[in-house]
Amino acid sequence: AQRVTQPEKLLSVFKGAPVELKCNYSYSGSPELFWYVQYSRQRLQLLLRHISRESIKGFTADLNKGETSFHLKKPFAQEEDSAMYYCALMRTGRRALTFGSGTRLQVQP
Amino acid sequence: EAGVAQSPRYKIIEKRQSVAFWCNPISGHATLYWYQQILGQGPKLLIQFQNNGVVDDSQLPKDRFSAERLKGVDSTLKIQPAKLEDSAVYLCASSLEPGVANTGELFFGEGSRLTVL
Repeated sequence: AQRVTQPEKLLSVFKGAPVELKCNYSYSGSPELFWYVQYSRQRLQLLLRHISRESIKGFTADLNKGETSFHLKKPFAQEEDSAMYYCALMRTGRRALTFGSGTRLQVQP
Repeated sequence: EAGVAQSPRYKIIEKRQSVAFWCNPISGHATLYWYQQILGQGPKLLIQFQNNGVVDDSQLPKDRFSAERLKGVDSTLKIQPAKLEDSAVYLCASSLEPGVANTGELFFGEGSRLTVL
């Protein structure tokens, strides 16, 4: 069975500091990985997906199959980045996502 | 574009009572999901529909939970009888047919928060 682990429940940084939200997964196949974000009083929404190799709002994430990780990074945190971040995995041939437990990012001024 | 609509937003019931949640997905989205999110945890898939057929209900507690999507559009999730541990936010999501551009993009509703006393 697949599993997504986000070891930190809360990550607190100061504005301008680098951010790294950790995500590890276990899955025997070839997964697709995603980061979802939920800002205060907003819906859960897609932030980025590994297959697109995109940078969204300054965030990037690289899939490391050797370490089975998909950490989310941003070089300089902004206050508006404060939110809940969920790492999610999609199994080959399926569409439903398996989510991690989430990390709350708090960016202090 | 209208988003995924859910109702009610909040519901408080006593244990052993029943409750129903309704979801209207984004127009044209063939796939609909119900997720359960318990406080402090990530969303957990309960059931996935493709049009009006069930794709995956392996994590749905079928002794008390049921869901239907009769005409391939709206969906209803029912709990009967409710237990204390069913207290959670029930999230509905929908997605387009898969393609490279939209793979993995689920559109979520605001959720229905259930409290079982």
